[in-house]
Amino acid sequence: DVKVTQSSRYLVKRTGEKVFLECVQDMDHENMFWYRQDPGLGLRLIYFSYDVKMKEKGDIPEGYSVSREKKERFSLILESASTNQTSMYLCASSSWGPGNGGELFFGEGSRLTVL
Amino acid sequence: QQPVQSPQAVILREGEDAVINCSSSKALYSVHWYRQKHGEAPVFLMILLKGGEQKGHEKISASFNEKKQQSSLYLTASQLSYSGTYFCGRPTQGGSEKLVFGKGTKLTVNP
Repeated sequence: DVKVTQSSRYLVKRTGEKVFLECVQDMDHENMFWYRQDPGLGLRLIYFSYDVKMKEKGDIPEGYSVSREKKERFSLILESASTNQTSMYLCASSSWGPGNGGELFFGEGSRLTVL
Repeated sequence: QQPVQSPQAVILREGEDAVINCSSSKALYSVHWYRQKHGEAPVFLMILLKGGEQKGHEKISASFNEKKQQSSLYLTASQLSYSGTYFCGRPTQGGSEKLVFGKGTKLTVNP
């Protein structure tokens, strides 16, 4: 069974703290994504990675950074958390190839509250 | 950059039909459709790769008009299990695997 695992389902942090959100996939996918989901705003892309150490900014990268040192792991980093980063964060992975339509597999999400 | 979805929300009775539209101001190279049930992760429904392509998933089908930069999702004889939020997504450019999504359409199917 294919899986994208986000290490923390719920986190509560204080303003100014450094926050790490971890995501691991077991499907050997090249592509990994971090999205942020807020009511009424849908899924907004924060960062995209298409290979180890390779990344592209999405629509809302400000205040975030990412790390992809290994193919299966993609981390989202909030250098100094702020209250407006309180949100649900979704990690996803995908792969293109014969028989593969580029389907995104999503993790269960990490709900972050910044106080 | 997000594609635009309409309507924002729709309420149906079981057995009724619905259409969800997705349009883009930028070129649509492909369209991806996902459904997210309450408290769950989004799940892939289908991808349309060519203009004019239509696909189906259960009683859910979709069309893709590349020229008009639009796609529509058709839900026929809706079931309670169809309730959820539907998202359309598009690559940011041709050949890219980087996807951006619309704001979603919340579908509620009542008995």
